[in-house]
Amino acid sequence: GAGVSQSPSNKVTEKGKDVELRCDPISGHTALYWYRQSLGQGLEFLIYFQGNSAPDKSGLPSDRFSAERTGGSVSTLTIQRTQQEDSAVYLCASSSVGGDTQYFGPGTRLTVL
Amino acid sequence: ELKVEQNPLFLSMQEGKNYTIYCNYSTTSDRLYWYRQDPGKSLESLFVLLSNGAVKQEGRLMASLDTKARLSTLHITAAVHDLSATYFCAVEPGSARQLTFGSGTQLTVLP
Repeated sequence: GAGVSQSPSNKVTEKGKDVELRCDPISGHTALYWYRQSLGQGLEFLIYFQGNSAPDKSGLPSDRFSAERTGGSVSTLTIQRTQQEDSAVYLCASSSVGGDTQYFGPGTRLTVL
Repeated sequence: ELKVEQNPLFLSMQEGKNYTIYCNYSTTSDRLYWYRQDPGKSLESLFVLLSNGAVKQEGRLMASLDTKARLSTLHITAAVHDLSATYFCAVEPGSARQLTFGSGTQLTVLP
């Protein structure tokens, strides 16, 4: 079946602009995660959604980062006033209820000039 | 704060040889994952280890978990070039579901 999809695959933006990254989880998966991968910091957790519960935002690095999940499915990660240090690959993952494995999407490579 | 340490970070090995990658973590956890990442690609799940003493094998790779020692190993048997990739271990701390990743081990298998 279809895996986790993300769009866009690549995004180049200028410093100070806002960006939105989209994630479509595997159908039926109730848990959705955002991570980012950068050379300097490795793989870092950002935010976690589980069903209708309040999201775990403990990994968001600043208040410029926010995410929402509409209808328990698609999620959007928004970065406001982008900075060069935001350049990274943003990965989305999903898992099923009671499931153990997080399945990762292909990622969005964000470059802030 | 949970810390996950992998070693080695870089590993070059000859085809046909065996080697082990180590993953140590700093707090109690019964859930450990191994992922593979090819250059420019996303993360592919390899193993899920959910209890002390768990051992999983797939082809030339075998993973094990010792929760008392807070240690997991990924053993490579008779390496082949196709195994060249970066391998990450990740730990799920306590009741939280988010993963804390190690730095990754970049494996290169030489002919």
